[in-house]
Amino acid sequence: KAGVTQTPRYLIKTRGQQVTLSCSPISGHRSVSWYQQTPGQGLQFLFEYFSETQRNKGNFPGRFSGRQFSNSRSEMNVSTLELGDSALYLCASSWGLAGGSYQETQYFGPGTRLLVL
Amino acid sequence: EDKVVQSPLSLVVHEGDTVTLNCSYEVTNFRSLLWYKQEKKAPTFLFMLTSSGIEKKSGRLSSILDKKELFSILNITATQTGDSAVYLCAVGSNYKLTFGKGTLLTVNP
Repeated sequence: KAGVTQTPRYLIKTRGQQVTLSCSPISGHRSVSWYQQTPGQGLQFLFEYFSETQRNKGNFPGRFSGRQFSNSRSEMNVSTLELGDSALYLCASSWGLAGGSYQETQYFGPGTRLLVL
Repeated sequence: EDKVVQSPLSLVVHEGDTVTLNCSYEVTNFRSLLWYKQEKKAPTFLFMLTSSGIEKKSGRLSSILDKKELFSILNITATQTGDSAVYLCAVGSNYKLTFGKGTLLTVNP
């Protein structure tokens, strides 16, 4: 069974540009979460999607947005890039059973390393 | 605000030593506690704990959760150089994982 895939793996952008990152979950998984990892802050939650609906969002500015498609694939977008957005962006998937019982393992993709110059 | 604190932040041991990594948390609507291992790439899953007092084991690794005292420990016995990594603790609640900063474990031969 294929794991979580993310594209692109590496990206270099300049300040002010925007970027779109893509994530394909494990087959059958309907929940996709996004995290930002930096040396100073560690892994921080961005947002979670299930069946095309955002169920939770972390404390990030509105420049960070995401969406999920009917096939569970997800994209996140960062507009007006800042130097501080340089990070490893990780996507994770799980079955995402509805009902609020969040006792599921999240499996991570390899990440997209974004460098903003 | 949800909070997960891991200690120590870093640890250097010799092969064969036993280590204990700590994780304490303050989270609303706790659902689960997970341990991950990260070696310069994506975190890989180790354990998920949902009930107090039940130890989970996988080879030389084991973990236990105390929901009354709000902490978990990860034990690694007979450490090997391949155990060198960052170990991350995360708590699941409200459709998200809140991570600690991790413990950097270095195992020297």
